[in-house]
Amino acid sequence: NAGVTQTPKFRILKIGQSMTLQCAQDMNHNYMYWYRQDPGMGLKLIYYSVGAGITDKGEVPNGYNVSRSTTEDFPLRLELAAPSQTSVYFCASNRPGTSGIPTDTQYFGPGTRLTVL
Amino acid sequence: AQSVAQPEDQVNVAEGNPLTVKCTYSVSGNPYLFWYVQYPNRGLQFLLKYITGDNLVKGSYGFEAEFNKSQTSFHLKKPSALVSDSALYFCAVRDGGSARQLTFGSGTQLTVLP
Repeated sequence: NAGVTQTPKFRILKIGQSMTLQCAQDMNHNYMYWYRQDPGMGLKLIYYSVGAGITDKGEVPNGYNVSRSTTEDFPLRLELAAPSQTSVYFCASNRPGTSGIPTDTQYFGPGTRLTVL
Repeated sequence: AQSVAQPEDQVNVAEGNPLTVKCTYSVSGNPYLFWYVQYPNRGLQFLLKYITGDNLVKGSYGFEAEFNKSQTSFHLKKPSALVSDSALYFCAVRDGGSARQLTFGSGTQLTVLP
């Protein structure tokens, strides 16, 4: 298994540009998450999904959109990039336990470092 | 709302010495607590968790954590530090939501000196 993969690894955007950060997992995990990591601030949850077709906002969703058309993919869209979105973005996934409730171990991708100038 | 605090941005320890990385938490119900580690240019990796049961939890790579309800703490420990333990460590608490969202602390950079 490749686990959780993210592309691109690095990207520089100009203010107002748009882009999509890709995330895919090959573990058949239902639950997927997008976090951003700012220096000294820990990770903040942007959006999450409990399965294909179902998404919900996390702590810091403004300026982002997500979709979940398949179990494997969970792309994050930035429509109008702003300097405040300069950050490292991590995608993570989680599998359901025997009772269908997700386990407590999230699997993280390697991250995408985004700079908005 | 729940939260975790990691009071130290940086911890330095000599190789072979014991290490402690501190974490305190605030939750309204039962705490579900986690430690993750991040090596340079990598995603986070799960180390250990406390859900219920013994207050001393053992995890990967020889790490353990002690849950203390009266002090609302969940400190990460290792009896003998290795240079390869140098990394960024995050404490986290599980959200009460159905998707098991995590709330993370700000992280502690551990440096083990040879």
